Amino acid sequence: EVQLVESGGGLVQPGGSLRLSCATSGFTFSDHYMDWLRQAPGKGLEWVGRIRNRANSYTTEYAASVRGRFSVSRENSKNAVYLQMSSLKTEDTAVYYCSRPLEGAVTAFGYWGQGTLVTVSS
Amino acid sequence: SYELTQPPSVSVSPGQTATITCSGDKLGGRHVSWYQQKPGQSPVLVIYQNVNRPSGIPERFSGSNSGNTATLTIRGTQAMDEADYYCQAWDSRTGVFGGGTKLTVL
Repeated sequence: EVQLVESGGGLVQPGGSLRLSCATSGFTFSDHYMDWLRQAPGKGLEWVGRIRNRANSYTTEYAASVRGRFSVSRENSKNAVYLQMSSLKTEDTAVYYCSRPLEGAVTAFGYWGQGTLVTVSS
Repeated sequence: SYELTQPPSVSVSPGQTATITCSGDKLGGRHVSWYQQKPGQSPVLVIYQNVNRPSGIPERFSGSNSGNTATLTIRGTQAMDEADYYCQAWDSRTGVFGGGTKLTVL
């Protein structure tokens, strides 16, 4: 069974930094792309960033709203993916989800974690 | 930037057919996914690659995509289907979501 468990959320001041972690199990981690998405309180879903698999050289992509401030990385030995967030703004306040595409369908976010809340406030 | 447009709300009576649309420029040339999200829960993928249902998703959920519009159809809508629904596609290697549609079953 695929499991994704996010951690690391909390309260941070504007301009600060935070690193989110996503622990995974139930699949061969290095074979899969991994994504981060977020949802501001009472708002819709927003894709944040992606890190590809070994076959695609672990390349990354980012939403324009976070490019240059956020970084996605992975540690295959720990089956974990991370989201390093810096220069945080109040508008980054959201529940952050880790996700894995469905088998054979990298365009679809097939598996989701439970989310971790990040609050950016002074 | 690429935009996907959904109606904010759709209402349907139990047992009837609910239709939720998602519009975007030349959307028919892209793969569209649909997600269901109930209050306080993580989203769930219900349709991918326009027409495919993941394992465990009831047959009453179906999708289509042509021209500038993708459609999620729920036949025989049940009370448990009341939720927010989001369409999603990719543009220039970035993920894009519609604003979401609140489906009310009444």
